[in-house]
Amino acid sequence: AQKVTQAQTEISVVEKEDVTLDCVYETRDTTYYLFWYKQPPSGELVFLIRRNSFDEQNEISGRYSWNFQKSTSSFNFTITASQVVDSAVYFCALSESLYGQNFVFGPGTRLSVLP
Amino acid sequence: DVKVTQSSRYLVKRTGEKVFLECVQDMDHENMFWYRQDPGLGLRLIYFSYDVKMKEKGDIPEGYSVSREKKERFSLILESASTNQTSMYLCASRPDGINYEQYFGPGTRLTVT
Repeated sequence: AQKVTQAQTEISVVEKEDVTLDCVYETRDTTYYLFWYKQPPSGELVFLIRRNSFDEQNEISGRYSWNFQKSTSSFNFTITASQVVDSAVYFCALSESLYGQNFVFGPGTRLSVLP
Repeated sequence: DVKVTQSSRYLVKRTGEKVFLECVQDMDHENMFWYRQDPGLGLRLIYFSYDVKMKEKGDIPEGYSVSREKKERFSLILESASTNQTSMYLCASRPDGINYEQYFGPGTRLTVT
């Protein structure tokens, strides 16, 4: 069973639109961490954010914001006023003690921001 | 800043060749990982290592082996490259602890002809 689901395979938006990338996870642990990564066309995965299971506060960093809801096991990522440079593949990942030092990655969402 | 480097960004090899992909990290991380990334399949874990000379198979270890003789270096070996191993290979490292992120290298795009 997939532990991290990113239901949107590809999304296209026009520049300046807001866009939300969905991430739904599955775990039995009470302590776990969730991550978002960005993979631009150059290929290197760039870490964006970490959230632990005890902190349900939303986070905002510039145009990026994250909404963590334990009740729905979701950790969604919103880009406000998207820009062409936001075009990338975005991965959500789960870290829990069951998997030791491994991550469980979602399949990724490819975001294309058109000028 | 943590740095993870991979020996090549692009590599072209012939079928049957032995291929070495090298990964080096400079932050004394215990854990290192090799992933393969193919369109539509996301990131798939090939092998990981949690200490020097220690390794564990990931989801798709067939056709690959690894070596970790020093803490900072983790090598992925394709004993006899095949065309179905044409892919993007990503190395990552991570300290112990589920709260830490993985740090990724720039990737090696391998083509086997």
